[in-house]
Amino acid sequence: NAGVTQTPKFRVLKTGQSMTLLCAQDMNHEYMYWYRQDPGMGLRLIHYSVGEGTTAKGEVPDGYNVSRLKKQNFLLGLESAAPSQTSVYFCASSYSTATEAFFGQGTRLTVV
Amino acid sequence: DQQVKQNSPSLSVQEGRISILNCDYTNSMFDYFLWYKKYPAEGPTFLISISSIKDKNEDGRFTVFLNKSAKHLSLHIVPSQPGDSAVYFCAARGRTNAGKSTFGDGTTLTVKP
Repeated sequence: NAGVTQTPKFRVLKTGQSMTLLCAQDMNHEYMYWYRQDPGMGLRLIHYSVGEGTTAKGEVPDGYNVSRLKKQNFLLGLESAAPSQTSVYFCASSYSTATEAFFGQGTRLTVV
Repeated sequence: DQQVKQNSPSLSVQEGRISILNCDYTNSMFDYFLWYKKYPAEGPTFLISISSIKDKNEDGRFTVFLNKSAKHLSLHIVPSQPGDSAVYFCAARGRTNAGKSTFGDGTTLTVKP
């Protein structure tokens, strides 16, 4: 039982490059989330999804896009990376709005 | 305006003693509160939660207390163990809010042997 798996674990991008972070969960959870964590700060919500085919903006959505074509996958895209997007990205999923979230191990992204 | 605040960036306690981590919130719509624990280079893992209909929830060495009038919650760890050394995040959500959690900045707990 893998839980929540994020790919890749590390990445270095040049400013202006694009990339997609993949999140996969095998728990049949409806809800999925993308957070970013910057040094000394808590997790801030980028985008989230309440089910297959749905997405919505979180607290800090600018510069990111997401897609949830399949229930088990939630993709986070950066179309034109900027140094301000250097961060650790966490994907999470939950069964319902009244249960805890399960997190992936994180993706450390550096934009130079 | 930060809706969930953990005012102590760090806490150091001796093994076997009690650790008390605090969290304050400002949004009165929050009705479900969670604590997560995070080790370096790993994702957060769920520790314990409490609903606003309760004022206390226990799970082994971990107890969370909620004071709704003060908009304050605390996590007690008794007895503290070196393996408890980690960053602890307080999170809050409203049940009608699609499960979106608002996180505090975290408190780094160090338990000294």
